[in-house]
Amino acid sequence: DTAVSQTPKYLVTQMGNDKSIKCEQNLGHDTMYWYKQDSKKFLKIMFSYNNKELIINETVPNRFSPKSPDKAHLNLHINSLELGDSAVYFCASSQDRESIGTQYFGPGTRLLVL
Amino acid sequence: EDKVVQSPLSLVVHEGDTVTLNCSYEVTNFRSLLWYKQEKKAPTFLFMLTSSGIEKKSGRLSSILDKKELFSILNITATQTGDSAIYLCAVEASWGNKLVFGAGTILRVKS
Repeated sequence: DTAVSQTPKYLVTQMGNDKSIKCEQNLGHDTMYWYKQDSKKFLKIMFSYNNKELIINETVPNRFSPKSPDKAHLNLHINSLELGDSAVYFCASSQDRESIGTQYFGPGTRLLVL
Repeated sequence: EDKVVQSPLSLVVHEGDTVTLNCSYEVTNFRSLLWYKQEKKAPTFLFMLTSSGIEKKSGRLSSILDKKELFSILNITATQTGDSAIYLCAVEASWGNKLVFGAGTILRVKS
């Protein structure tokens, strides 16, 4: 059973396109996160949701819009993709905001913008 | 601004060697420090450290935290090729309830 799953695993697209990445967790966790890992392997928090409510929104271009239809899902929509958006995007979840240290990560979505 | 710095950035050793990876941090309202191992895909959890001076151990891996000097080390003894990975250090800053990651140490163990 996959705890945190992401789709798609790979995404290759042209500059200017709009794309979405989906994340689902079946752990019953309240809190979910999106991270971006760039080519230098730096992992940075982008967004965090707790019970469908946005609690962390780091300095991310507003072309990135997260959406949490329910607490088991946190999707990421990206408008007008740019070359610099190429990275691996990881979704993660934790029991609650206090348990941030014990996050479970998804397998990642490798995005390549051409 | 919250900051986590890892060193070295990369390391190549031979099987059987012992390695020490370093992590120093400056964050607001420290809560915990975490070590992760990342192979091909997602980071996997290794240790969470909250108290100074208490060593956490799991097999050949061990880690310790010094909250006065604001750093942690991760030791791996008798390294094996399967230890080759990126080792990530992250610090939980209670303000904002977020994890701040270091850039990672790329470890390669040669047979």
